[in-house]
Amino acid sequence: DAGVTQSPTHLIKTRGQQVTLRCSPISGHKSVSWYQQVLGQGPQFIFQYYEKEERGRGNFPDRFSARQFPNYSSELNVNALLLGDSALYLCASSLEETDTQYFGPGTRLTVL
Amino acid sequence: AQSVTQLDSQVPVFEEAPVELRCNYSSSVSVYLFWYVQYPNQGLQLLLKYLSGSTLVESINGFEAEFNKSQTSFHLRKPSVHISDTAEYFCAVAVLRGSTLGRLYFGRGTQLTVWP
Repeated sequence: DAGVTQSPTHLIKTRGQQVTLRCSPISGHKSVSWYQQVLGQGPQFIFQYYEKEERGRGNFPDRFSARQFPNYSSELNVNALLLGDSALYLCASSLEETDTQYFGPGTRLTVL
Repeated sequence: AQSVTQLDSQVPVFEEAPVELRCNYSSSVSVYLFWYVQYPNQGLQLLLKYLSGSTLVESINGFEAEFNKSQTSFHLRKPSVHISDTAEYFCAVAVLRGSTLGRLYFGRGTQLTVWP
């Protein structure tokens, strides 16, 4: 069975640009969460979506937005990129909101 | 607010030695507890989890962790490590009630390095 998939694997952007990251959950999983992992730190929660509705938002600015599609895949958008947005962005899926989360390989974003 | 403290940022050990990676959390409500492992340039892999029931949980590759409610700890142990266990280990907590339901809170990670 396929695990959580994310695209692209790597991305290089310049300050002020916009980026879209994509995630496909494990088949049958209805919840998708996004996390940001800055080098040397643990992942920080950004968003959780369940059945296409936002169920939680972490302490991130409004430049960060996300959505979940009818097939439960998800996109994370970041506008007006800053150098500090450089990080590994992880997507996790779970059957329901409070079930165990399984992570994808991540998208490495570098902002120059 | 929930918090997770991993008491050691780096743990170097020799192959076949025992190891303990420590994790403490703060929460006033019921929680689920997890250990994830991250190999270089990869995502997180679930190592083991405590949801309910027996306080001692085990993984398929010889790790175990014990939930201690009174000490709010969930330490990870392995009696004999291999070089292939070299990785970053993250402890995580999920709160079961309130506005933060479903999100994971992570510690800063412990880098386990196994030397031959």
